[in-house]
Amino acid sequence: EVQLVQSGAEVKKPGESLRISCRGSGYSFTNYWIGWVRQMPGRGLEWVGIINPADSETRYSPSFQGQVIISVDKSISTAYLQWSTLKASDTAIYFCARRPNFYFYMDVWGKGTTVTVSS
Amino acid sequence: EMVLTQSPGTLSLSPGDRATVSCRASQPVNAQYFAWYQQKVGQAPRLLIYGASSRATGVPDRFSGSGSGTDFSLTISGLEPQDFAVYYCQQYGSSQWTFGQGTKLEI
Repeated sequence: EVQLVQSGAEVKKPGESLRISCRGSGYSFTNYWIGWVRQMPGRGLEWVGIINPADSETRYSPSFQGQVIISVDKSISTAYLQWSTLKASDTAIYFCARRPNFYFYMDVWGKGTTVTVSS
Repeated sequence: EMVLTQSPGTLSLSPGDRATVSCRASQPVNAQYFAWYQQKVGQAPRLLIYGASSRATGVPDRFSGSGSGTDFSLTISGLEPQDFAVYYCQQYGSSQWTFGQGTKLEI
């Protein structure tokens, strides 16, 4: 079964750092890009960025450029989204999703990681 | 910057009705780069339509998509109880993905 398994919920304080993960299974990990999508409480979907596990080529939404880092370890089929300095406004659910090469949609989604940033 | 505007914001219908959700882009979109997703409460989004009109694997044929240029639509014929959810359009262009703000389909 094709799956994206995301790491568990996190509760952090403002100023702390964080890295969440997304592990792919049931398919060839390097044949699909992995994207990240934010959903703030009660709000819609926002595209954060995307990475190609084959060569680590990464693209960011201008809204998130410089705010987060997307990385990948293809040896363990895992993509990451990290923050060096969290803010309360980073509180949201973060979904990872798979994008097939040569296509421009997300066909498989993880269940989401809830990140809560509060003092 | 590309902006996708969905209408209506909320759609109130009954099971058996026909639902139409519209998505207007601020610039022309390549239809091959356009998709629709469904999100139920507490769940991840689910791909419904890609390439503007192709149904994803396992999506019932009561779901259909159409459109080109700047105007796209999602139609659900014969609403089932499980179809009441939030629907998002999405496009790709200039190495960026953009989502619409969502349309809530409520009973």
